[in-house]
Amino acid sequence: EIVLTQSPATLSLSPGERATLSCGASRSVSSRYLAWYQQKPGLAPRLLIYDASSRATGIPDRFSGSGSGTDFTLTISSLEPEDFAVYYCQQYGSSPLTFGGGTKVEIK
Amino acid sequence: EVQLLESGGGLVQPGGSLRLSCAASGFTFSSYAMTWVRQAPGKGLEWVSTIRGGSENTYYADSVKGRFTISRDNSKNTLDLQMNSLRAEDTAVYYCAKDPQHWLGYFDLWGRGTLVTVSS
Repeated sequence: EIVLTQSPATLSLSPGERATLSCGASRSVSSRYLAWYQQKPGLAPRLLIYDASSRATGIPDRFSGSGSGTDFTLTISSLEPEDFAVYYCQQYGSSPLTFGGGTKVEIK
Repeated sequence: EVQLLESGGGLVQPGGSLRLSCAASGFTFSSYAMTWVRQAPGKGLEWVSTIRGGSENTYYADSVKGRFTISRDNSKNTLDLQMNSLRAEDTAVYYCAKDPQHWLGYFDLWGRGTLVTVSS
């Protein structure tokens, strides 16, 4: 099983600032099969990024994904008020599918 | 409207059973793999089970294998999860989620979830 470790656990930033979220894998994620989701309290997760760097339909271009192998990054170029939420990475390159523990982006 | 709507959650005693359902609408249900993902209170996401579009393959997390059964009825656009021998650690919000294709392994549509509480 691939274990995904997200860091930091909490990121305290102000609107307009840049957010950089990391996702490390215990072994290489094949074919860059990594996704990122956003989850707000009481709501279902929303797909942001798939295949490590492809934005899902309707996702603003301030969200970008990068990385390969064991190190992946989600970047939010300039935080909007609606971006404060928890973000999860997920690998789908090998079974079982696994998720990271999440990074909470909170208002500073 | 494209949506997924879960139902069937509730309070059940340890060792008991519960059946969850997910009603899909707005897309060709039979064309996509479907998955159950759960989230324990205050915790992260955990993949539970997946079924391919034609029910030809099913997959389970080790934590639920032998206790949970995933199924679907493409004529009714519904996805089910039969949960037996429930344990306290199965307490979670259960989401159904749609794969963007036959089986890629990530999820482009999620339901709002249904809460399962296992407690005496």
